[in-house]
Amino acid sequence: DGGITQSPKYLFRKEGQNVTLSCEQNLNHDAMYWYRQDPGQGLRLIYYSQIVNDFQKGDIAEGYSVSREKKESFPLTVTSAQKNPTAFYLCASSGTGALSNQPQHFGDGTRLSIL
Amino acid sequence: GQSLEQPSEVTAVEGAIVQINCTYQTSGFYGLSWYQQHDGGAPTFLSYNALDGLEETGRFSSFLSRSDSYGYLLLQELQMKDSASYFCAVRVPDSNYQLIWGAGTKLIIKP
Repeated sequence: DGGITQSPKYLFRKEGQNVTLSCEQNLNHDAMYWYRQDPGQGLRLIYYSQIVNDFQKGDIAEGYSVSREKKESFPLTVTSAQKNPTAFYLCASSGTGALSNQPQHFGDGTRLSIL
Repeated sequence: GQSLEQPSEVTAVEGAIVQINCTYQTSGFYGLSWYQQHDGGAPTFLSYNALDGLEETGRFSSFLSRSDSYGYLLLQELQMKDSASYFCAVRVPDSNYQLIWGAGTKLIIKP
């Protein structure tokens, strides 16, 4: 079955530590996204990538980094510079065809907490 | 700036009909999408409107008026499993396939 896999489901970060969240998709989508969701809030875009080896900052990129070395993979690193990392992180992917409707497909998310 | 407005919370009774509104102010417009998210879960795509009018998919319908920059999601024959947050999102030109998201509407269903 095609889909998006995020791991781990739960992650704990110690102060000063970088942690990496995994996101893998087998939908053959070109575009991938990372969102942060705080309790009771909407989705805020951290980074997005339209194509391999290219990515752009979203609205809240500070303290985060990404890479896109393969079409299927878009890992997110939460660096020690992100002082308030506790949140629910969602990875999504979508097609980039000519049609204006390219729905985003989401993984099940990673819940990150500070130890 | 670009923004979407939707109510933060709506309460309805099981078996009833509920409408969740979304108004948008964006520079350009391709279409309005709706997503459902259960507590602790991932958002899932529900519907998309690019043209004015009503699109029906089972118990859910979505409406768009481009001249009013307004849309709504209509849920009929409400079931307890419809309790979730509902997000509207707009795609605009030159956005590299990004979506502009509303803050979400929490739908509470009472028996």
